[in-house]
Amino acid sequence: AQSVTQLGSHVSVSEGALVLLRCNYSSSVPPYLFWYVQYPNQGLQLLLKYTSAATLVKGINGFEAEFKKSETSFHLTKPSAHMSDAAEYFCAVSRSYNTDKLIFGTGTRLQVFP
Amino acid sequence: GAGVSQSPSNKVTEKGKDVELRCDPISGHTALYWYRQSLGQGLEFLIYFQGNSAPDKSGLPSDRFSAERTGGSVSTLTIQRTQQEDSAVYLCASSHPAGGFPGANVLTFGAGSRLTVL
Repeated sequence: AQSVTQLGSHVSVSEGALVLLRCNYSSSVPPYLFWYVQYPNQGLQLLLKYTSAATLVKGINGFEAEFKKSETSFHLTKPSAHMSDAAEYFCAVSRSYNTDKLIFGTGTRLQVFP
Repeated sequence: GAGVSQSPSNKVTEKGKDVELRCDPISGHTALYWYRQSLGQGLEFLIYFQGNSAPDKSGLPSDRFSAERTGGSVSTLTIQRTQQEDSAVYLCASSHPAGGFPGANVLTFGAGSRLTVL
């Protein structure tokens, strides 16, 4: 069964610092991978997705993620954090080639300090 | 509609009562998903609809939980005899396979219904 593991339930960075949110997946076949962001009291919003094209995927708000098959990782990065990036971030894997059903990690809450 | 709409946004109920949560997906989206978000638990899949049928109900935690979808549009998630452990945010999402391929299409989420069972 496919699953994802997000290391670190909380990450704190200073404004302007690098953001690195970790995600590792387990899958017997090349997966589709997603990062979603959830701002307070809002639904989830897609940041980016990997669907076996380019391994470096660029998303919204300056975020990007790199698919590394050898490490089974799909870490999310942003070179310079902004206060508005404070939110909860979820990594997800698509479990099926018949549906768009996603299996989510437990999430990482990002805090950004001035 | 322009987005996925869920109601109520907040619901407080007493233990043992039944509750209904409603989801109105994006017009034309044939697939609809219910997830539950509990504190510290991430998002837990509950059920998936394709049209009006539910080929995957594997995430429903007990027989107190049920869902239906009518007209290939609105869906209702019903929780009978609510328990305190049912307290969570219930999220609905929809997707449309056209323009992509299964597994890679984007799920669009609603803002959720926060359920508190006293």
